[in-house]
Amino acid sequence: GAGVSQSPRYKVAKRGQDVALRCDPISGHVSLFWYQQALGQGPEFLTYFQNEAQLDKSGLPSDRFFAERPEGSVSTLKIQRTQQEDSAVYLCASSPGTRIGAGQFFGPGTRLTVL
Amino acid sequence: DAKTTQPTSMDCAEGRAANLPCNHSTISGNEYVYWYRQIHSQGPQYIIHGLKNNETNEMASLIITEDRKSSTLILPHATLRDTAVYYCIVRNNAGNMLTFGGGTRLMVKP
Repeated sequence: GAGVSQSPRYKVAKRGQDVALRCDPISGHVSLFWYQQALGQGPEFLTYFQNEAQLDKSGLPSDRFFAERPEGSVSTLKIQRTQQEDSAVYLCASSPGTRIGAGQFFGPGTRLTVL
Repeated sequence: DAKTTQPTSMDCAEGRAANLPCNHSTISGNEYVYWYRQIHSQGPQYIIHGLKNNETNEMASLIITEDRKSSTLILPHATLRDTAVYYCIVRNNAGNMLTFGGGTRLMVKP
């Protein structure tokens, strides 16, 4: 079946521009996660949704980062006034539930380059 | 969540078993050991997880020591497509996020 999809796959933005990154999770998956992965590093947690509720946003690096999942399926990560340090791969993952054994299924990521 | 320590890189000959170690000496009783891998330009992929018993699936085997302070991921017959960064993650019952470390870069060579 279809996995997690993300769009766009690549995004180039000029410093100061706003960007919106989309995530389509696996159908029926309750949980949705966003991670940021800098070059050569492991992914770092940004935020977590259970259905439409954003239960944890402790990883968002600044108030320029905003995420939403209004209908409990598709999610959008928005970055306002992008800075060069925002350049990274942004990964979305979904999970069927919150039980300990529920693995997370990752999308291919969106590579953001801020010039 | 407990911190994990993994070697930065490892090589393995194609067709041989790849044994990837992970230390998690501060693991607590309710924490599971998860393994993910990330092939170049792709998102991480779930491999296997366990609590205290050894586990096996179609991808790999997970061996956890009796004291649970370390574990080994075994790829029984490594192929070139297994070249990736392998992450060992310890996750508790209440945690939802995955905390990735640096992982082990496994290079499978012909």
